[in-house]
Amino acid sequence: DAKTTQPTSMDCAEGRAANLPCNHSTISGNEYVYWYRQIHSQGPQYIIHGLKNNETNEMASLIITEDRKSSTLILPHATLRDTAVYYCIVRAYMYSGGGADGLTFGKGTHLIIQP
Amino acid sequence: EADIYQTPRYLVIGTGKKITLECSQTMGHDKMYWYQQDPGMELHLIHYSYGVNSTEKGDLSSESTVSRIRTEHFPLTLESARPSHTSQYLCATRTGASSYNSPLHFGNGTRLTVT
Repeated sequence: DAKTTQPTSMDCAEGRAANLPCNHSTISGNEYVYWYRQIHSQGPQYIIHGLKNNETNEMASLIITEDRKSSTLILPHATLRDTAVYYCIVRAYMYSGGGADGLTFGKGTHLIIQP
Repeated sequence: EADIYQTPRYLVIGTGKKITLECSQTMGHDKMYWYQQDPGMELHLIHYSYGVNSTEKGDLSSESTVSRIRTEHFPLTLESARPSHTSQYLCATRTGASSYNSPLHFGNGTRLTVT
């Protein structure tokens, strides 16, 4: 799996858009980009994933650059409840053969929403 | 949305005791996973299962064992707990079909403290 690089922490004002960057410069053509978040003391929560097109759901938008070497997760109107650690993960599809297909979580970005 | 239940939520136990952490899911997902996470640190995959009677060790070596006798249950057992086992244990599931495009769903974890 391709490695990802994320800032250790970020601040954002409540009500503003939070833009979380992720660098995955070694991503392969068959690797998806997944975003999860983990609120303190809870299990990780799935947010969104994509391959090469931009994606949007009720939680967030995912913008993937044309060369797929980086992506940005956008929380359009951040609230205090969005304070969490956000993980960017890349994972190949059509995983075959032996071994685990569980996602590999790094250290993520600690997003702090300021009132 | 997957419903995943982990019990107990918190457990404090003495060294040498046998413990079983329960994980159950109601979605009929074939694939289940156990992750271990120390406070402020990354998640590490310790066990996974692709279906009934299928269990495998994950990326991180663990002294725990698992079983998968029924689709909905994936318990984790420590035969003799030690202080080094103090951690948070997170259970996750995903549908077996098209796993490349299906996200992991997590429970809220069991926070284990061994004294």
